[in-house]
Amino acid sequence: DTGVSQDPRHKITKRGQNVTFRCDPISEHNRLYWYRQTLGQGPEFLTYFQNEAQLEKSRLLSDRFSAERPKGSFSTLEIQRTEQGDSAMYLCASSLAKLAGGTYNEQFFGPGTRLTVL
Amino acid sequence: AQSVTQPDIHITVSEGASLELRCNYSYGATPYLFWYVQSPGQGLQLLLKYFSGDTLVQGIKGFEAEFKRSQSSFNLRKPSVHWSDAAEYFCAVGPFGNEKLTFGTGTRLTIIP
Repeated sequence: DTGVSQDPRHKITKRGQNVTFRCDPISEHNRLYWYRQTLGQGPEFLTYFQNEAQLEKSRLLSDRFSAERPKGSFSTLEIQRTEQGDSAMYLCASSLAKLAGGTYNEQFFGPGTRLTVL
Repeated sequence: AQSVTQPDIHITVSEGASLELRCNYSYGATPYLFWYVQSPGQGLQLLLKYFSGDTLVQGIKGFEAEFKRSQSSFNLRKPSVHWSDAAEYFCAVGPFGNEKLTFGTGTRLTIIP
């Protein structure tokens, strides 16, 4: 099964440290999304890419957060100078957007990376 | 701005009983509506989706949902729940093209024998 994979699954870090998460989408998918899910809440959109271009960023994505998708395949999400409020599950999803439009692009989610900031 | 409300934080039902999970949305245009399920420690799995056409949509695992434009609702139903249905359920709304989804806060479903 070549679904969306995320690494690591769990990360514990101390406040002020930098962390980086990786997402590998389904291989033929051209869109990749990042969401954040805090305890008791639904996922919140952070950003998405079409191929290597970052097309939209939420205002939730402060300047401490940066996401890249350098070759249009895997993506990384880096958080600098982590804060306790960054503790959450970070979910990645991918989809195949057909450029002709008029179609629905189902998002397939990975298992997430749970971040705990001490 | 689009938003989703799931009024029930936690629902408990007996195995074999029927289930209805409520979802109300706010969206300026024709909504694309979804129900996802999340088991502990897992990502989200799509149960069903609505774009247009028949307002009663069928999904996986025996779930169905009905779109009611007049009530801005998209409630999820199952006639007979199984213990394996215990999970967190999220309703979501998205724009055409599905660039990003807006999720509700979720409903946690507990099944009792």
